[in-house]
Amino acid sequence: EPEVTQTPSHQVTQMGQEVILRCVPISNHLYFYWYRQILGQKVEFLVSFYNNEISEKSEIFDDQFSVERPDGSNFTLKIRSTKLEDSAMYFCASSDIQSRPSNQPQHFGDGTRLSIL
Amino acid sequence: AQSVSQHNHHVILSEAASLELGCNYSYGGTVNLFWYVQYPGQHLQLLLKYFSGDPLVKGIKGFEAEFIKSKFSFNLRKPSVQWSDTAEYFCAASGSARQLTFGSGTQLTVLP
Repeated sequence: EPEVTQTPSHQVTQMGQEVILRCVPISNHLYFYWYRQILGQKVEFLVSFYNNEISEKSEIFDDQFSVERPDGSNFTLKIRSTKLEDSAMYFCASSDIQSRPSNQPQHFGDGTRLSIL
Repeated sequence: AQSVSQHNHHVILSEAASLELGCNYSYGGTVNLFWYVQYPGQHLQLLLKYFSGDPLVKGIKGFEAEFIKSKFSFNLRKPSVQWSDTAEYFCAASGSARQLTFGSGTQLTVLP
């Protein structure tokens, strides 16, 4: 079964540094997502991306965050100047295209654990 | 505001016991409902989904869920659990937008 892959599995970064989390979605999927889960809290939606632009974003996704699809396979989340509270597990997901996109289940990667020191 | 609630934070069962995990949602308009499972060290995997039609949906590994609109519920059930079902279970919902709103998760521990 095709999978969403995320690298690295664990990233440790000094506060204030920039970090880029990488994801390779399933190859024929066209919708891409980032979620995060702070330890002990719910999985929270950050952003969705389709056709080379952001479709939806949450309040969490402020100017510190950006997403990019730099080539035909990667989908990245950049945090410009990390804060302690950015420490979390970050999940990438992708879904196929359909006439009702909200029906299509999202397939998740294993996550990147981001630790800000 | 859209929300999903899972009231059981940790459930402990013996093998062969029956399982029911609660999920309630608060959504305006059309709602799509999902159950995901996360085995230790693995990614979130889709167990089952409900979009419309028969409110009783069957998923993988013997799981099923029932959509009860009047109760805003989508509880997950399995008649007989196995040790390998030990995992964290997440209920999630989406509306007209694609983003998923997750519940807080229920850790299921099945004792051999």
